[in-house]
Amino acid sequence: AQSVTQPDIHITVSEGASLELRCNYSYGATPYLFWYVQSPGQGLQLLLKYFSGDTLVQGIKGFEAEFKRSQSSFNLRKPSVHWSDAAEYFCAVNPRYAGNMLTFGGGTRLMVKP
Amino acid sequence: DGGITQSPKYLFRKEGQNVTLSCEQNLNHDAMYWYRQDPGQGLRLIYYSQIVNDFQKGDIAEGYSVSREKKESFPLTVTSAQKNPTAFYLCASIGGADYGYTFGSGTRLTVV
Repeated sequence: AQSVTQPDIHITVSEGASLELRCNYSYGATPYLFWYVQSPGQGLQLLLKYFSGDTLVQGIKGFEAEFKRSQSSFNLRKPSVHWSDAAEYFCAVNPRYAGNMLTFGGGTRLMVKP
Repeated sequence: DGGITQSPKYLFRKEGQNVTLSCEQNLNHDAMYWYRQDPGQGLRLIYYSQIVNDFQKGDIAEGYSVSREKKESFPLTVTSAQKNPTAFYLCASIGGADYGYTFGSGTRLTVV
């Protein structure tokens, strides 16, 4: 079945530490890939997206993500986490067919320790 | 600036009442979506519309209704048939060569 999986429901990191949030997808062809961030009580903000080309994409707020076709993964990374990065992060895919509709992973809640 | 406006930000509903959540966009996007978000459950699709005067049910459409009379507007009505309406509701749109969503800031609905 087609799906998007974020294996980690909660992650806690110390401020200044590096971060990697995992995302795996299960689709026949490489979909368009996205990461969104949501602060409490707010809508979702686009961090970055991958359509094609360079497999390492840069986003806002110092985030980057790497597309790995062999692993069907699109993991989000940040070298040094700030307290303001505490939020929920969603991976999403647009499968490029059946209309423009995104399928979301279940989300990963990031907590940052001082 | 272009974007999506959801109103109100907070809404309270009494038992047996219908309430309507507003979603307006000035992005000239064709497709619009409504999602429900509950704690720990991610986003669940309620309804979507890919063109004016047409809309489709999503995964959890029961107890909800929508209309799409104008390209800019996609209101969601939470009817009395929705037994557990307390949730955070998000509206999104997509259009042009951008294959990702633009989201509104959400409406939190609470049953009192």
